Amino acid sequence: DAGITQSPRHKVTETGTPVTLRCHQTENHRYMYWYRQDPGHGLRLIHYSYGVKDTDKGEVSDGYSVSRSKTEDFLLTLESATSSQTSVYFCATLGHYGYTFGSGTRLTVV
Amino acid sequence: AQTVTQSQPEMSVQEAETVTLSCTYDTSESDYYLFWYKQPPSRQMILVIRQEAYKQQNATENRFSVNFQKAAKSFSLKISDSQLGDAAMYFCAYRDDKIIFGKGTRLHILP
Repeated sequence: DAGITQSPRHKVTETGTPVTLRCHQTENHRYMYWYRQDPGHGLRLIHYSYGVKDTDKGEVSDGYSVSRSKTEDFLLTLESATSSQTSVYFCATLGHYGYTFGSGTRLTVV
Repeated sequence: AQTVTQSQPEMSVQEAETVTLSCTYDTSESDYYLFWYKQPPSRQMILVIRQEAYKQQNATENRFSVNFQKAAKSFSLKISDSQLGDAAMYFCAYRDDKIIFGKGTRLHILP
């Protein structure tokens, strides 16, 4: 969807390094979400935000932090990446008609 | 906690036939939303259909329809006249203040 941009689209990083994934929206939506998708697990919620500087944990938040200093940007940070964090990460926003997802970021931790 | 269960990891259907994907969920809430999302190989998540729990009428979008049984907490997706482009992973999802996904059903369309 043109209203949500995730960057980067692909990233390979080494174990122990910090990584930040960015989600940018142009729709001025209040709610934003980070999910990870793994085979056999579907999409699992990592963190979400219900406004600037207002965030909360999802079901798989360990090892991740988030920040939202502006309505349009929601950052996901892996402070020290581990191989178990190799996954596809999706950002989503909640608008009037429902959820809209970004195109995903494929992160590989080697 | 709310849960969403898709009991069919994979399904196959002949082109032009009808297929039904199953989904059950667990919640103590009375007001919520249910969704089916499609994820083709492109990885994009595409909303197929949505249902508000307070509406008894089943939602329909062209060839896609749902059978919503609130008392049974069941929300199945029926795809009529299956097309090759329908091949994808399908996720059932539940939402009150956040959205919870099932593990998905991979649908294959046989020519």
